[in-house]
Amino acid sequence: AQSVAQPEDQVNVAEGNPLTVKCTYSVSGNPYLFWYVQYPNRGLQFLLKYITGDNLVKGSYGFEAEFNKSQTSFHLKKPSALVSDSALYFCAVRDGDTGGFKTIFGAGTRLFVKA
Amino acid sequence: KAGVTQTPRYLIKTRGQQVTLSCSPISGHRSVSWYQQTPGQGLQFLFEYFSETQRNKGNFPGRFSGRQFSNSRSEMNVSTLELGDSALYLCASSAGLAGGIEQFFGPGTRLTVL
Repeated sequence: AQSVAQPEDQVNVAEGNPLTVKCTYSVSGNPYLFWYVQYPNRGLQFLLKYITGDNLVKGSYGFEAEFNKSQTSFHLKKPSALVSDSALYFCAVRDGDTGGFKTIFGAGTRLFVKA
Repeated sequence: KAGVTQTPRYLIKTRGQQVTLSCSPISGHRSVSWYQQTPGQGLQFLFEYFSETQRNKGNFPGRFSGRQFSNSRSEMNVSTLELGDSALYLCASSAGLAGGIEQFFGPGTRLTVL
């Protein structure tokens, strides 16, 4: 079965420092991988995705993610964190076929960026 | 373009009642998915609709049901509410049914069951 793991409940980083939010996945075929962010009292917002091609994917707000097939990982990164990046981050994988899909989310990682 | 809208934003019900939540997708989007978000279980997939047909379903009891109308608007219904149904219910729409298409989420409906 497809699954997504986010091993860290919380990540703390100082403003201006690089940040990494970890994600590993398990899929039976080619993965469709996503990162979403959730700010307080709001729905999820799409950040970036990996379908195929370059292993380094660039997304919104300066975020990027590195797809590593051998390690089955899709870590979210940002070179310089901002206080406004503090939020809940979800890694997700899409599972299914043309008959229908479902998105499986990781448990989420809360990012705290300290000024 | 207007985003995904969900109504109502907040609901308070008592055990045994039923509830209907509504979702209007982004204009032109034909795929609508529903998720339940709780602190303990995280985000869990409920079902996905495309062109008025349920295409996939998560592991929820039959008390949870949904439908999609010809204008792509969707409703989900929960009957015989239980305390454990208290959650944030999120609706998401996407432009198509392909696996690599991102979803756009509404603000959610927060359901409290007393």
